[in-house]
Amino acid sequence: EVQLVESGGGLVQPGGSLKLSCAASGFTFSGSAMHWVRQASGKGLDWVGRIRSKADSYATEYAASVKGRFTISRDDSKNTAFLQMNSLKTEDTAVYYCTRLPSGDYYMDVWGKGTTVTVSS
Amino acid sequence: SYELTQPLSVSVALGQTARITCGGNNIGIKNVHWYQQKPGQAPVLVIYRDSNRPSGIPERFSGSNSGNTATLSITRAQAGDEADYYCQVWDSSTVVFGGGTKLTVL
Repeated sequence: EVQLVESGGGLVQPGGSLKLSCAASGFTFSGSAMHWVRQASGKGLDWVGRIRSKADSYATEYAASVKGRFTISRDDSKNTAFLQMNSLKTEDTAVYYCTRLPSGDYYMDVWGKGTTVTVSS
Repeated sequence: SYELTQPLSVSVALGQTARITCGGNNIGIKNVHWYQQKPGQAPVLVIYRDSNRPSGIPERFSGSNSGNTATLSITRAQAGDEADYYCQVWDSSTVVFGGGTKLTVL
């Protein structure tokens, strides 16, 4: 079964850091681009960023709202993607989803259940 | 930056056809993907590349894309189709989502 499981969410103070993980199973992780999407309570989907596969040099792209503060990485040996979040702001409070794009395509066909990040003092 | 415009809400009578639009500048030249999200759940892909259905998605779901508007159609609407629906495209190597449409089945 194709599956993504996020972990690492929690409560953090403004200005703090948090690292999320996304464990993948059931597909060839190393060949897939991995994305992070977030959703604040009662709001719409908000793309955070992505990391491409080794074939594309692990290139990363980020939304303007998180560029310079968030970093996406991956460990293909552990089938896991990561989202390092620094200098967190209250507006970063959201459910964070990990998603997969099929190799060579541009839609998100697999989503994790999400992990909740709350930035508050 | 590229923007996608969706109506905040759409209502449809049980058994009728719901149409949810996604507007964008010359969106017809882009591939549009649609996601369904029910309360408390992760989004689910229902249409990819304008009009393709993933396995397991009922034939009642279909999509089209032309000019400045993409449309998700749901025929014979059921109570279980009540959800938020989001369109998505790529623009300049970034992902863009529409603001989402809440579908109510009356």
